[in-house]
Amino acid sequence: EAQVTQNPRYLITVTGKKLTVTCSQNMNHEYMSWYRQDPGLGLRQIYYSMNVEVTDKGDVPEGYKVSRKEKRNFPLILESPSPNQTSLYFCASSLNPAGAEGEQFFGPGTRLTVL
Amino acid sequence: ILNVEQSPQSLHVQEGDSTNFTCSFPSSNFYALHWYRWETAKSPEALFVMTLNGDEKKKGRISATLNTKEGYSYLYIKGSQPEDSATYLCALNDYKLSFGAGTTVTVRA
Repeated sequence: EAQVTQNPRYLITVTGKKLTVTCSQNMNHEYMSWYRQDPGLGLRQIYYSMNVEVTDKGDVPEGYKVSRKEKRNFPLILESPSPNQTSLYFCASSLNPAGAEGEQFFGPGTRLTVL
Repeated sequence: ILNVEQSPQSLHVQEGDSTNFTCSFPSSNFYALHWYRWETAKSPEALFVMTLNGDEKKKGRISATLNTKEGYSYLYIKGSQPEDSATYLCALNDYKLSFGAGTTVTVRA
């Protein structure tokens, strides 16, 4: 089954404790991206990657890191989480970065709470 | 950041009625405009990707139009059904994705 998977789905942690949220897609997609969703703000892009070893900042990259060492995986790293990073996080992928094949396939989401 | 605005923020529609709502943007400098449907407790799912001025797309009872010259896209739902209740997101793609805050549609039986 073609899908984007994220782990963990739910996480409660404390300020300053490094964490990684994994994202994997099995569709051989070039483009992968991370979003956070906060009430009233919609989805905001954190980082995106157009291919292996190519990553770029989205609109809200502060406090996050990513890597794209393999085509299928795009982990999101919070080196020192803070309470303002409490949010619902989505990973997504698409065949190509833009144009008609740019539709995003979203993972199930990760709900993160930072105390 | 591409400023994407959606209106209204929410709307209620009676089952069987048709409705439409708007995505507006200040610039046509993007590769595509996307519409997504997002049901509660699920992930957003793509409805349409529109790339050209004048594009019209249709999927069942849902259709969309794009006017890049005047900076808007409309999403139409014909004969609304309870299963159409969801938040509909619009996004502009210029390699970065910029989403609007969404229009939440509630269909009353």
